[in-house]
Amino acid sequence: ETGVTQTPRHLVMGMTNKKSLKCEQHLGHNAMYWYKQSAKKPLELMFVYSLEERVENNSVPSRFSPECPNSSHLFLHLHTLQPEDSALYLCASSQEPVNYGYTFGSGTRLTVV
Amino acid sequence: GENVEQHPSTLSVQEGDSAVIKCTYSDSASNYFPWYKQELGKRPQLIIDIRSNVGEKKDQRIAVTLNKTAKHFSLHITETQPEDSAVYFCAANPPQKVTFGTGTKLQVIP
Repeated sequence: ETGVTQTPRHLVMGMTNKKSLKCEQHLGHNAMYWYKQSAKKPLELMFVYSLEERVENNSVPSRFSPECPNSSHLFLHLHTLQPEDSALYLCASSQEPVNYGYTFGSGTRLTVV
Repeated sequence: GENVEQHPSTLSVQEGDSAVIKCTYSDSASNYFPWYKQELGKRPQLIIDIRSNVGEKKDQRIAVTLNKTAKHFSLHITETQPEDSAVYFCAANPPQKVTFGTGTKLQVIP
């Protein structure tokens, strides 16, 4: 493990379901991120939490709702998703200012049916 | 905001040859430039990085160069091996934000 753990690794959900993705980091970092990675697309930043405060929300639809209860945990709550939301969701952490790179989790492969 | 362009999008090389991936950035405040490697089905991993006060950095078979004046930086992989096959992402880092390039899929042909 890299120090950033994501669960579940795979998730299949219907469009009416509610589910949550979990990320936990054991590196003592003070910033955490959610990225979406689709086929043939770059890494899309969704949310940034720095010192447990949300500092970035890149026009993400409200059906995605982040939660950061403390500096070690990050959640992404999902509800009424669309098939085009199927993607790999990556969590990352870093020490601000970001000049030592990100540590990524292994991701959650989400399929919306 | 920062804009990072990465080329080529795909690259095939024969085993043993060199591979070069190039990125340009727009924000002169960017001061940190990491490179990530993502193997199929795995997470991106930091493989090398360079800061704005350095022009070149090398780690075994991989090296990164930075031209601040032209706002471009490159990844060089020498003596490529099949295990180098992956998607490589560059990134540029002004304070408080990271912007990734679109990725280069490198295939090393044995």
